[in-house]
Amino acid sequence: DAGVIQSPRHEVTEMGQEVTLRCKPISGHDYLFWYRQTMMRGLELLIYFNNNVPIDDSGMPEDRFSAKMPNASFSTLKIQPSEPRDSAVYFCASSLLARAHNEQFFGPGTRLTVL
Amino acid sequence: QKEVEQDPGPLSVPEGAIVSLNCTYSNSAFQYFMWYRQYSRKGPELLMYTYSSGNKEDGRFTAQVDKSSKYISLFIRDSQPSDSATYLCAMSAAGNNRKLIWGLGTSLAVNP
Repeated sequence: DAGVIQSPRHEVTEMGQEVTLRCKPISGHDYLFWYRQTMMRGLELLIYFNNNVPIDDSGMPEDRFSAKMPNASFSTLKIQPSEPRDSAVYFCASSLLARAHNEQFFGPGTRLTVL
Repeated sequence: QKEVEQDPGPLSVPEGAIVSLNCTYSNSAFQYFMWYRQYSRKGPELLMYTYSSGNKEDGRFTAQVDKSSKYISLFIRDSQPSDSATYLCAMSAAGNNRKLIWGLGTSLAVNP
């Protein structure tokens, strides 16, 4: 299995621009998670989906952030407009309900820099 | 107060040392306790998990959970330079809530 795939791996953009991060979960997994990681705040859960349906988006910082999962093999996280404080590493992870201990498999992350 | 507290370190030890990493938590509903390891510029990977209280051993690694004290530990014996990474604790309640609550992570450097 290829694991969780994220693109792009690095993104540098200017304040005010739209940013779209992409994720392909592990085939057959029914949960998908979007995280943001910074030194100060650690790993923060932004939103998670079950069978393509958003379950908990309480971690989404504000209306500038949106996430979609149009099918079981693809999800996007969009930031519009982007701000310098959005600079972080964004991770996508997936998991399988059948694994009771909730092991999450992470992608390599997208390192976002907003100038 | 955060639900899960973890000292971010950094921790620096000589090769061969015994390393102790710890987290405390406040939510008594937590049943699954996990340790993830994250190498620089990589995503976290599950290292070990424990259900409820007790100990679990896997090679040089031992995970302990003390639910009465709301305290979990990860011990690394005979530490190696390849163990240099950030170690994150994560916890969840049982059931269909798939949300993991994470510690900040402890940065560990094992010096040859």
